[in-house]
Amino acid sequence: DTEVTQTPKHLVMGMTNKKSLKCEQHMGHRAMYWYKQKAKKPPELMFVYSYEKLSINESVPSRFSPECPNSSLLNLHLHALQPEDSALYLCASSQDPSGELFFGEGSRLTVL
Amino acid sequence: QKEVEQDPGPLSVPEGAIVSLNCTYSNSAFQYFMWYRQYSRKGPELLMYTYSSGNKEDGRFTAQVDKSSKYISLFIRDSQPSDSATYLCAIQNAGNNRKLIWGLGTSLAVNP
Repeated sequence: DTEVTQTPKHLVMGMTNKKSLKCEQHMGHRAMYWYKQKAKKPPELMFVYSYEKLSINESVPSRFSPECPNSSLLNLHLHALQPEDSALYLCASSQDPSGELFFGEGSRLTVL
Repeated sequence: QKEVEQDPGPLSVPEGAIVSLNCTYSNSAFQYFMWYRQYSRKGPELLMYTYSSGNKEDGRFTAQVDKSSKYISLFIRDSQPSDSATYLCAIQNAGNNRKLIWGLGTSLAVNP
């Protein structure tokens, strides 16, 4: 079982909704990541938090807003999404920004 | 030329076969090599992490790195139907905030 926990597992939202995805890890890792994955494609990096500070933003639209309340938690706030944003959103963590990544099970998002 | 090349398959083998999965990469600065397994609708699971040329074995899995040829492989011995999944290679360069460069993933089916 993965030690990176993501909630919810499934989310359906309209284009005017505001929702959040949550991620938690208790491995003492200091780097956390959000990835987006479309069907039959590899994961695409969205954001990296290193020691609770945003260190990488891969030019993600502002309708996605990350937040790292503490070293164990990572949120992704969603607002005014488009149907093409429907995807599997993966959270990952690593011991530090240079280590191997461990992924959660993902949150499958559908935007209507 | 893509930074990481991986044949997407699909690859279909009988149970018990030895499976060979491969990636090539173009940048000799890449130093860290990972293989992930991803079941349908689940997050990627780290199988192997290596950083030196040669072989690394873990149970039925062997990861092989040839830095001189910029070629990495994952071998699965005595393949099982439960090994049916997509296998993704991911490669990092050295330095801080190492970003993963992903292969497209190879879809594997092991038939009973």
